[in-house]
Amino acid sequence: DAKTTQPPSMDCAEGRAANLPCNHSTISGNEYVYWYRQIHSQGPQYIIHGLKNNETNEMASLIITEDRKSSTLILPHATLRDTAVYYCIVRGLTGANSKLTFGKGITLSVRP
Amino acid sequence: NAGVTQTPKFQVLKTGQSMTLQCAQDMNHEYMSWYRQDPGMGLRLIHYSVGAGITDQGEVPNGYNVSRSTTEDFPLRLLSAAPSQTSVYFCASSRPVGTGELFFGEGSRLTVL
Repeated sequence: DAKTTQPPSMDCAEGRAANLPCNHSTISGNEYVYWYRQIHSQGPQYIIHGLKNNETNEMASLIITEDRKSSTLILPHATLRDTAVYYCIVRGLTGANSKLTFGKGITLSVRP
Repeated sequence: NAGVTQTPKFQVLKTGQSMTLQCAQDMNHEYMSWYRQDPGMGLRLIHYSVGAGITDQGEVPNGYNVSRSTTEDFPLRLLSAAPSQTSVYFCASSRPVGTGELFFGEGSRLTVL
């Protein structure tokens, strides 16, 4: 079972920031939060991951709450090409906890 | 770099036939996994492996076998194909948790008649 919950869909205007929420209330201290996205039928694409500190890369920012029970993926300037299904995943370090289980994700629609 | 290579990309089987989906990675990743994706649904984990000689079941393992005799290869076997196994299959590999992302193959589209 996926350890995360995400709303099924959201939309935002092109050029605006897209803030995608994720709840992971049962996360353990050594589990990481990963975000992926899938465009059409392509293989999922890695976006970003973090443990407890906020992270930023060329694609997005990841904000993790202090209690680590939720996080937000921020796409600072959404474009039409960012329309995709976004998956928030919790992943542990070893053994069975290291498996990556995808939930249903959140469908982001970027409108012109 | 080739990354994660899946073969074949497309396959049509008849019910009861067997086949193997091949997956190879050239990044020396210890972790490898297989997913299936059905229309309108997310990816569901079939089997995964945390290293050579070690495999374990995911969410939907029934009807599938795997083995991991080398670090590079992680084949997925369908012993007796069923129409319910019609799906797109993705293989993925990764470096140790916390140090990097999961790399996906391009997918294998399987139709079972």
